[in-house]
Order: sequence, then C-alpha cells, then structure tokens
Amino acid sequence: GIQVEQSPPDLILQEGANSTLRCNFSDSVNNLQWFHQNPWGQLINLFYIPSGTKQNGRLSATTVATERYSLLYISSSQTTDSGVYFCAVDLQIYSGGGADGLTFGKGTHLIIQP
Amino acid sequence: DTGVSQNPRHKITKRGQNVTFRCDPISEHNRLYWYRQTLGQGPEFLTYFQNEAQLEKSRLLSDRFSAERPKGSFSTLEIQRTEQGDSAMYLCASSLALTPEDTEAFFGQGTRLTVV
Repeated sequence: GIQVEQSPPDLILQEGANSTLRCNFSDSVNNLQWFHQNPWGQLINLFYIPSGTKQNGRLSATTVATERYSLLYISSSQTTDSGVYFCAVDLQIYSGGGADGLTFGKGTHLIIQP
Repeated sequence: DTGVSQNPRHKITKRGQNVTFRCDPISEHNRLYWYRQTLGQGPEFLTYFQNEAQLEKSRLLSDRFSAERPKGSFSTLEIQRTEQGDSAMYLCASSLALTPEDTEAFFGQGTRLTVV
C-alpha cells in the first residue's frame, strides 16, 4: 500500500517561532488532508489540499503532487498550536474514489513553549 | 450542522465482553468511515460505507468486528469477545462525495476503548 512519511517526528519551539512540517507519499494521490489532533483526540481539519497552495490565517500548506510531497507552514507559533499534526492521503484505486479511506502518516508532535 | 458525533466517548470493558459504538455523521454525508488509532500512531482505516452499503474492509477488521449502517445514516461498530489488544481510540469520519475526487473527511471526537 501507499506509504506516508512525516518529518520531523518531534519539534519543540518557542512561542513566536515559525515551523515547516513535511509529508512525503509514495504514490499518486487524489486527495491530501492535514489535521491537528488536540489533546482530547479530536482530529481538526486544517487543509484539504490535493495540489496547490492554501492559506488560513497563520497556517498555510503547499502540495506538489508531481513530486509527491506536501508542506505545512505554521507562522508565529502559539502554545495552542501544540499537538500532533497528521498528513493523510487518499489513494483512489476505484473510479468511485475513497475505496481505502485515508492513509495517515505517524504525525509530527509539536510542542510550543511559552 | 453539529459535526460528526460519536458515543460513548469512553468505554471500559472486561476482556471477553461485547461492546458497541455509535457514530452519527454530518447530515447528508453519504460516506462513513471507521478508523482505529493506537498510542503514538496515526489512525488506521477499518471499513467504509457508501450510504448503507459496506464497500471496503481492512485486513485489520477481524471477524470479531462488525459494522452496520442500516439506513444510510448513523453507523454502529460492534466488537465481540473483546481482547486487550482492542484497546484503542475508535474514530468515525464522514464525507460528502459529490464527485469521485471529493472525499474530504471530517472526524468525530472518537470513542476510547479500554479492555481490562
């Protein structure tokens, strides 16, 4: 099956710093999502970005589908940004799509210190 | 729209007991997914429904697991004869697939199962 690798696995930053999280995937994908998992386990949608660039406030993401990677940028980090960030891809192997659901990476554990 | 809702939020059960979890997707979402997440790992796909039809099952879904979505709305996931290895967070997600490429998924809060 498709492989999803996220880096770095852990990241500790001071409040106000910027960070870049990377997601590499091993095959062509139709969909890619970035999530933030909060301390209670809820997966919060950040971006739905199979290709191109999107921005939402202090967060932005870029997916280069032809080179099989995506980047999540967090600027001016705040302590509330702490948590685990997951990249997940959807390998569309049937015409109906979504046949195998999302394949997740192992996540990047981000800690923002005050 | 209140998002994807899962019940219960937490469940502690004795080994060998059966447990059932419920998921209410975002209304009008035609796709519903179940995932399992263990500590330190990303969620892993278990099974998927398109309306009421169960279209895909992962190898992770042993014969002790069964999922239903009887009317194409809410879904239940049952685990029979629970084992300690079943302890995990069980996540439900839904999506509105207007086109085959549109599968943005939205997740519920999860049900954390502990088997003692």
